Amino acid sequence: EPEVTQTPSHQVTQMGQEVILRCVPISNHLYFYWYRQILGQKVEFLVSFYNNEISEKSEIFDDQFSVERPDGSNFTLKIRSTKLEDSAMYFCASSGSGNSPLHFGNGTRLTVT
Amino acid sequence: AQSVTQLGSHVSVSEGALVLLRCNYSSSVPPYLFWYVQYPNQGLQLLLKYTSAATLVKGINGFEAEFKKSETSFHLTKPSAHMSDAAEYFCAVKVDSSYKLIFGSGTRLLVRP
Repeated sequence: EPEVTQTPSHQVTQMGQEVILRCVPISNHLYFYWYRQILGQKVEFLVSFYNNEISEKSEIFDDQFSVERPDGSNFTLKIRSTKLEDSAMYFCASSGSGNSPLHFGNGTRLTVT
Repeated sequence: AQSVTQLGSHVSVSEGALVLLRCNYSSSVPPYLFWYVQYPNQGLQLLLKYTSAATLVKGINGFEAEFKKSETSFHLTKPSAHMSDAAEYFCAVKVDSSYKLIFGSGTRLLVRP
């Protein structure tokens, strides 16, 4: 069964550094998402992306965050200047339509020191 | 605004016993409802979804959930727990006007031998 793949599985970075989290969504999906889960807290929506533009974003997704689909297969989340509170598990997801169930990757654990 | 409440952060059952994980939602418009399961160090896997076609929804691994509008509930059940069901379970809600899934805080299911 096709799956969403995320790399790396674990990223450690120093505060203030830029990080790029990478995702390969399911190939025929059109909608792409990033969610995050801070340890011990809820899974939170960050952003959705469709037709090469952001379709919806949460209040968490401020100017420090950006997303990009640089080619036909990758979907990336960039955090420009990481803060300690950005430490979390980041999940990429994709879906075939806006109301289809989301398929999630295994996540990237980001640790900011 | 939509929200999801999962009663019980931890539920413990004996192997072979009934599993009941509770989910209540709040939505001013007809919702889409989902249950996801998360095994350790893995992403979120869809168990089942409610999209208004039928109030009793059957999912994978023997799980099912019933949509009860009068109670604003979407509880997850399984007649007989298996050791492999031990995981964290998330209820989520979505509406047509939004791309985002709103997750509950999760319930960790423990299965005792």
